[in-house]
Amino acid sequence: EAQVTQNPRYLITVTGKKLTVTCSQNMNHEYMSWYRQDPGLGLRQIYYSMNVEVTDKGDVPEGYKVSRKEKRNFPLILESPSPNQTSLYFCASSLLGSRGGDTQYFGPGTRLTVL
Amino acid sequence: KQEVTQIPAALSVPEGENLVLNCSFTDSAIYNLQWFRQDPGKGLTSLLLIQSSQREQTSGRLNASLDKSSGRSTLYIAASQPGDSATYLCAVNGGGYQKVTFGIGTKLQVIP
Repeated sequence: EAQVTQNPRYLITVTGKKLTVTCSQNMNHEYMSWYRQDPGLGLRQIYYSMNVEVTDKGDVPEGYKVSRKEKRNFPLILESPSPNQTSLYFCASSLLGSRGGDTQYFGPGTRLTVL
Repeated sequence: KQEVTQIPAALSVPEGENLVLNCSFTDSAIYNLQWFRQDPGKGLTSLLLIQSSQREQTSGRLNASLDKSSGRSTLYIAASQPGDSATYLCAVNGGGYQKVTFGIGTKLQVIP
């Protein structure tokens, strides 16, 4: 089944404890992206990647890191999480990226709480 | 900076009604616009994708239109059903470099 998977689905952690949220797609998509969703603010793009080893900042990259060493994986890294990073996170992928005119497929989301 | 607004924020209708959801954006230089559905506790499901050169797209009971010059898109849902209850999101790709801007969404409730 074609899908985007994220792990973990739920995570409660404490301020300053490094964490990684994994994202994997099995559709051979070139483009992958991370979003966070907050009440009243909607989804905002954190980082995106147009291909292996190519990443760029979205609208809210502060406090996050990403890497794209393999085509299928795009982990989101919080080196020193803070309470304002408590949010619902989504990973998405598409074949050629939105400029290529194709659909984005979203993962199920990761709900992160930073105490 | 692209801004996307969705009106209304919430909508409650009786089953069987036809309804229209609105999306407006400030920068008309877009590549495409996509409508998504989000169910509580779940991810986003793509409904329709309209390229900047297109005027509308249809899928079943859904029809999305795009007027790029005026910065507007509408999602028309015919003969609404309780299963259509969800939050509907509009996403605009514009400003280059694969950046996507989402609206906050319209929360739809269809009452049986």
